[in-house]
Amino acid sequence: DVVMTQSPLFLPATLGQPASISCRSSQSLVYKDGKTYLNWFQQRPGQSPRRLIYQVSNRDSGVPDRFSGSGSGTDFTLKISRVETEDVGVYYCMQATQWPYTFGQGTKLEIK
Amino acid sequence: EVQLVESGGGLVQPGGSLRLSCAASEFTFSSYWMGWVRQAPGKGLEWVADIRPDGKDKQYLDSVKGRFTISRDNAKNSLYLQMNSLRAEDTAVYYCARDDCSSSVCNWGAFDIWGQGTLVTVSS
Repeated sequence: DVVMTQSPLFLPATLGQPASISCRSSQSLVYKDGKTYLNWFQQRPGQSPRRLIYQVSNRDSGVPDRFSGSGSGTDFTLKISRVETEDVGVYYCMQATQWPYTFGQGTKLEIK
Repeated sequence: EVQLVESGGGLVQPGGSLRLSCAASEFTFSSYWMGWVRQAPGKGLEWVADIRPDGKDKQYLDSVKGRFTISRDNAKNSLYLQMNSLRAEDTAVYYCARDDCSSSVCNWGAFDIWGQGTLVTVSS
């Protein structure tokens, strides 16, 4: 199975400042079709998960443009350009290049 | 409104069975892969199973193979998860989610619609 490793696991962020989450996979996430199926999800306290980014860098409609995804191969990053209070929650990366789909451990973002 | 609504969770003894249901509305259910994702109390997300639009291809997490069965009824816009031989470690909130992969476009694993979740507790 592909192991997804996120860092940090806990992210104390400052309002208005940038924040970044790293996600590394144990194998390349490039699929035979040339695409990379690496997705990011946000789970706010008490809510169901919500998709933020798919295929590394495609932001979902309705997701603020302060969120961006980047990376390739085995190294990926979710960046928030200016943290806002509504960004509090847990962020997960997930690979879908290979069965079984696997999630990272989650990164808990809190406001300092 | 596009939505997924799960039902069927509850308390069950170890070794018991439970069937979860997920009702889909306001999208062409029969065109999409669908999946189940679970979350143990205070823990992270774990993918459990996925099923192709025609129901003929199913994928499972190793730890549930042979115990869980994913199925769907496209005429009823419904997804199911039959869970047998339940263990304490299966205790979790189970989410139904639409895998953003259809016959026209496929973004594997990009679960874009999630239900509210249903809690399954396995305990004596």
